Amino acid sequence: DSGVTQTPKHLITATGQRVTLRCSPRSGDLSVYWYQQSLDQGLQFLIQYYNGEERAKGNILERFSAQQFPDLHSELNLSSLELGDSALYFCASSVQGQAGETQYFGPGTRLLVL
Amino acid sequence: GQNIDQPTEMTATEGAIVQINCTYQTSGFNGLFWYQQHAGEAPTFLSYNVLDGLEEKGRFSSFLSRSKGYSYLLLKELQMKDSASYLCAVRGRAAGNKLTFGGGTRVLVKP
Repeated sequence: DSGVTQTPKHLITATGQRVTLRCSPRSGDLSVYWYQQSLDQGLQFLIQYYNGEERAKGNILERFSAQQFPDLHSELNLSSLELGDSALYFCASSVQGQAGETQYFGPGTRLLVL
Repeated sequence: GQNIDQPTEMTATEGAIVQINCTYQTSGFNGLFWYQQHAGEAPTFLSYNVLDGLEEKGRFSSFLSRSKGYSYLLLKELQMKDSASYLCAVRGRAAGNKLTFGGGTRVLVKP
């Protein structure tokens, strides 16, 4: 158990819908990262937050957005869902988001878009 | 940008040794991580290399050569529970600490 929690574990929804994925980092960690893992794409970095501020952006679609709240939990919002958005979504956290820090991953949310 | 290559799949026998290679190209290198991921589960941290050389941690060792853009993960005394995907990830000198992951190497340990 990494100490990172994610809810829900599974989510089934329809195309065109909007969902929110939630992540709580390890106690004391200020930085949160979101990743998408699909069968054909591997693990892809989406976005990073540090202490409530966006720090780095990866291959995140405009239909997706995220935020980190004052209590440091983070939410990833996915809208206008498409079949291709079906994937495992992981959240990871690290202490200060600095180089050399290990990122600890949560158990993931498995999203299925029908 | 960054490019990371590792073999797709490897098979080995219980008790044996397996070496998983990872080659990378990056605009500025700032560390290399190895993660283990069982199917459907979260990646778990195995090792971190930022300087050249070998890092040993029990049955797992990781090696880095920055000049060659090359790393390997060595798994010794293989156990059935080591059957998993092994992900090589490189951190470049970009904003934040973006990790770029390779596609992963699926290791199958046979009795």
